[in-house]
Amino acid sequence: QVQLQESGPGLVRPSQTLSLTCTVSGGSIRRSADFWTWIRHSAGKGLEWIGRISTSGSTNYNPSLRSRVSVSVDTSGTQFFLEMTSVTAADTAVYYCARQKRGEQLYTWFDSWGQGTLVTVSS
Amino acid sequence: DIQMTQSPSSLSASVGDSVTITCRASQSISNYLNWYQEKPGKAPRLLIYAASSLQSGVPSRFSGSGSGTDFTLTISSLQPEDFSTYYCQQSFTTPWTFGLGTRVEIK
Repeated sequence: QVQLQESGPGLVRPSQTLSLTCTVSGGSIRRSADFWTWIRHSAGKGLEWIGRISTSGSTNYNPSLRSRVSVSVDTSGTQFFLEMTSVTAADTAVYYCARQKRGEQLYTWFDSWGQGTLVTVSS
Repeated sequence: DIQMTQSPSSLSASVGDSVTITCRASQSISNYLNWYQEKPGKAPRLLIYAASSLQSGVPSRFSGSGSGTDFTLTISSLQPEDFSTYYCQQSFTTPWTFGLGTRVEIK
């Protein structure tokens, strides 16, 4: 069973770039037909989908964050990444990485999640 | 964006009770609706996908129903480990959106 684990700094200064890594074990990102996703949970906005990457490298982003966000994957197929630029206090949240499974008839769901990592934006 | 509205925002119940949580979408989403359970410090857990399909390994006391704009998650015979927060999520169109959650507390 695939497992995911987020890592990265817990504190980021305002206007700086937030960078997180998701390490995938028990399966390869490159051999999967699924999407690899970032989601955050903040007190102000609840659960918010940030963006995703497919095994072919194509990306989709939440329009509300598109101008500041980038999701990428490493060549080994065991990690994918989130970068968010120009962060503010509103970006303080628990950040999750997750696998978005594809089903039949375009059904999709987030079936495996990491435990989440708290990122605080503060000077 | 499609807005997902859950009710109630919280409820109190006892072990053995049956509880129902409602989720309403701001537009029709057919049955592109998923349910999750979240506990502090733990990975969120998928319970139900496609409105009524039980995820592998999830106890059968969890069930989902609905189509269009109105959906329900029912937990029959609440167990101690079920006291947590539940979220609905639409998978009809991007951006995928979630409800604000329903916290199930011990009475």
